Amino acid sequence: GAVVSQHPSWVICKSGTSVKIECRSLDFQATTMFWYRQFPKQSLMLMATSNEGSKATYEQGVEKDKFLINHASLTLSTLTVTSAHPEDSSFYICSARKSSGNTIYFGEGSWLTVV
Amino acid sequence: AQSVTQLGSHVSVSEGALVLLRCNYSSSVPPYLFWYVQYPNQGLQLLLKYTSAATLVKGINGFEAEFKKSETSFHLTKPSAHMSDAAEYFCAVSVNGNQFYFGTGTSLTVIP
Repeated sequence: GAVVSQHPSWVICKSGTSVKIECRSLDFQATTMFWYRQFPKQSLMLMATSNEGSKATYEQGVEKDKFLINHASLTLSTLTVTSAHPEDSSFYICSARKSSGNTIYFGEGSWLTVV
Repeated sequence: AQSVTQLGSHVSVSEGALVLLRCNYSSSVPPYLFWYVQYPNQGLQLLLKYTSAATLVKGINGFEAEFKKSETSFHLTKPSAHMSDAAEYFCAVSVNGNQFYFGTGTSLTVIP
């Protein structure tokens, strides 16, 4: 089946630094990708919708300058957490929609810890 | 607006017993409903989905769920639990099939 890969799976960074998380569709083209985050014991929350070649659409309450999303190709979207703080520590997961059809595939997720 | 409530963050069942994971949804328009499973250190895997066809949906690994509009529910069941079913289960609602709104998840433990 279709595979969506995230990298890195685990990352620890220092407070104030930036960290980039990649989301790749390995065997299909994805016009649209979605980014979610999950705080401990909470639901996965949609952060933004990423469309190839255009600006991402952010959900209410998500700071676009803090969570930079780039969808430069049909197989890659990146999420950059800028000036990370401990409260940004979370589980970030992406999903990708096949350009042909409406099936959504989820990545394995990335654990971010900011110390 | 759409939302999902999963009752019970932890459910324990004996091996061979019935599995019942509860999900209630709220949606202003007819929804698509999904159940996903997440094994440790893995991504979300689709178990089954309801897209306005049959109200009883059969999924992988022997799971099924019934869409009940009058109760706004989409509970997940499996007649006989297996050790390999131990995982985190998420119910999700979507209006357009793209953006998903998830419940908080239910951790299933299977006792030998």
